[in-house]
Amino acid sequence: KQEVTQIPAALSVPEGENLVLNCSFTDSAIYNLQWFRQDPGKGLTSLLLIQSSQREQTSGRLNASLDKSSGRSTLYIAASQPGDSATYLCAVPVTSGTYKYIFGTGTRLKVLA
Amino acid sequence: DGGITQSPKYLFRKEGQNVTLSCEQNLNHDAMYWYRQDPGQGLRLIYYSQIVNDFQKGDIAEGYSVSREKKESFPLTVTSAQKNPTAFYLCASTTTWGGTSNQPQHFGDGTRLSIL
Repeated sequence: KQEVTQIPAALSVPEGENLVLNCSFTDSAIYNLQWFRQDPGKGLTSLLLIQSSQREQTSGRLNASLDKSSGRSTLYIAASQPGDSATYLCAVPVTSGTYKYIFGTGTRLKVLA
Repeated sequence: DGGITQSPKYLFRKEGQNVTLSCEQNLNHDAMYWYRQDPGQGLRLIYYSQIVNDFQKGDIAEGYSVSREKKESFPLTVTSAQKNPTAFYLCASTTTWGGTSNQPQHFGDGTRLSIL
């Protein structure tokens, strides 16, 4: 059974720092991996989706990498800003072809001004 | 703009009452989902539907019911059998076109349900 883990659960960094968020999964046979951002009291916003054939995806200051063999993905945020403060979640589809997704519990990021 | 609309934003349930949460999408997506989010926990799947008039139980379906009579709509009813309904409920959708290789999920802004 697929399990998705995100460590650490919370992270505080000073503004301007580059940082890495981690996502681990137990079954490497994934179709894709998606990173989301969630602001307090809001829904999830899709940031990046990496297909199984890709190694990384970039959007602005965000770069997500995928290493299926080791069951890991990282989200790199360059030059962090207070506006980046949010909870970041990763998700993978269940491989049974039912279009179900499994989510990690998220990393709560606080960027200090 | 296309998106997912959830209503109401806040909902209060009295003892023994059923309440219905609305989810409407204009993205022409086939698959729709309901998740429950509790503080400090990840999203847990309640129900999902891959096509009109068909839906499947997720991991925590007890005390909930859904219908999918239209492609655009996937309402969730929280019944009186759900003894701990206080949570943040999120609706999502995705296209099933092209298989699971490129299916970003889109989310609504959620409904916060509390017990009176």
